[in-house]
Amino acid sequence: GNSVTQMEGPVTLSEEAFLTINCTYTATGYPSLFWYVQYPGEGLQLLLKATKADDKGSNKGFEATYRKETTSFHLEKGSVQVSDSAVYFCALKWGGGNKLTFGTGTQLKVEL
Amino acid sequence: DTGVSQDPRHKITKRGQNVTFRCDPISEHNRLYWYRQTLGQGPEFLTYFQNEAQLEKSRLLSDRFSAERPKGSFSTLEIQRTEQGDSAMYLCASSPEATNTGELFFGEGSRLTVL
Repeated sequence: GNSVTQMEGPVTLSEEAFLTINCTYTATGYPSLFWYVQYPGEGLQLLLKATKADDKGSNKGFEATYRKETTSFHLEKGSVQVSDSAVYFCALKWGGGNKLTFGTGTQLKVEL
Repeated sequence: DTGVSQDPRHKITKRGQNVTFRCDPISEHNRLYWYRQTLGQGPEFLTYFQNEAQLEKSRLLSDRFSAERPKGSFSTLEIQRTEQGDSAMYLCASSPEATNTGELFFGEGSRLTVL
């Protein structure tokens, strides 16, 4: 079946550090891939997405590239801020509608 | 606020009791989804509606669970004869019918604690 595997957290970084959160997937066919973010006290919200191989999704300084050969969609940011502290979920879309399969989430803590 | 709203935000109940959660989606969204999230896990798909029609149910949704969206607007998720294993965050999300982009708009969730 379809599944998503994320690196475990928490990840703790200093402000302005480089961020990578690893995500790999298993799926039949070619799913669309997503990163969702959950800030403290808020609902999940879409951060970025990519719908086909080699697509790069980007938003708010975050980027992720759909790598079919390695079945990966790693999230990166060149310089994190305290306000990026949140839980990040990698997800894939399968089947009809907008059904998503999520990873377990990675908590990011950014300190001054 | 025109986002997805859920009620109650937190429910504590005793094993064997029935509970009901309500979700009000973004008004122009035709599709409504229920997910369940347990501690340390990502959200898991339970069911979704297009307007009032329930189009798909996950195998996670046992016979004790029932979801409705009678007028194609708000939805309710009822859990009968609750068990401790039902303790989780129940998330509601909505999306426009016309888009199949994978973008869901989530509410803040309803946390269920079964004692």
